[in-house]
Amino acid sequence: QKEVEQNSGPLSVPEGAIASLNCTYSDQGSQSFFWYRQYSGKSPELIMFIYSNGDKEDGRFTAQLNKASQYVSLLIRDSQPSDSATYLCAFYNNNDMRFGAGTRLTVKP
Amino acid sequence: DVKVTQSSRYLVKRTGEKVFLECVQDMDHENMFWYRQDPGLGLRLIYFSYDVKMKEKGDIPEGYSVSREKKERFSLILESASTNQTSMYLCASSFETRPLHFGNGTRLTVT
Repeated sequence: QKEVEQNSGPLSVPEGAIASLNCTYSDQGSQSFFWYRQYSGKSPELIMFIYSNGDKEDGRFTAQLNKASQYVSLLIRDSQPSDSATYLCAFYNNNDMRFGAGTRLTVKP
Repeated sequence: DVKVTQSSRYLVKRTGEKVFLECVQDMDHENMFWYRQDPGLGLRLIYFSYDVKMKEKGDIPEGYSVSREKKERFSLILESASTNQTSMYLCASSFETRPLHFGNGTRLTVT
């Protein structure tokens, strides 16, 4: 079993819609969870991190964490064409960070 | 702002050459990482280091070695480059279990 599984893409949503990205992880001891956005040809950049169960909101982005289900998600409200990118979820496995394969999101005008 | 600098944006090397990829961070982070990224495979951890002269193997260390003589610098070494090492290489640093900060990446082509 892979350590981090992301919902398979690509995902396409119309402009203004909510995009939902999901991720499951295998390490029950994980405490820190991260969402990165990566534009084509660029490095990943941090969008959000979440350490506690529940929701964390930052502007149009909401991260949701459910440690019992080993599940973390990212909601993007009012999606914009500029949100079109690959989204990577990640968590710390002891001292090193592990990444999912990414979900490619396209927001159509 | 944290700055992670990778020495080269693009590199072209020949099979069998010894290749050095350099990474420098300016925030006194103790953790530094090397990943490679290939289409469909995501980011795969090659090596990481949590202190000077300390190193840990990641998922794909074969064919690579690393050096961390100073806290701010983490070097990835391809002992004898092969075509299957053609990839995007990403360096990152972090403080404890805080978010990673990435460099701009080095796209390496081995011919």
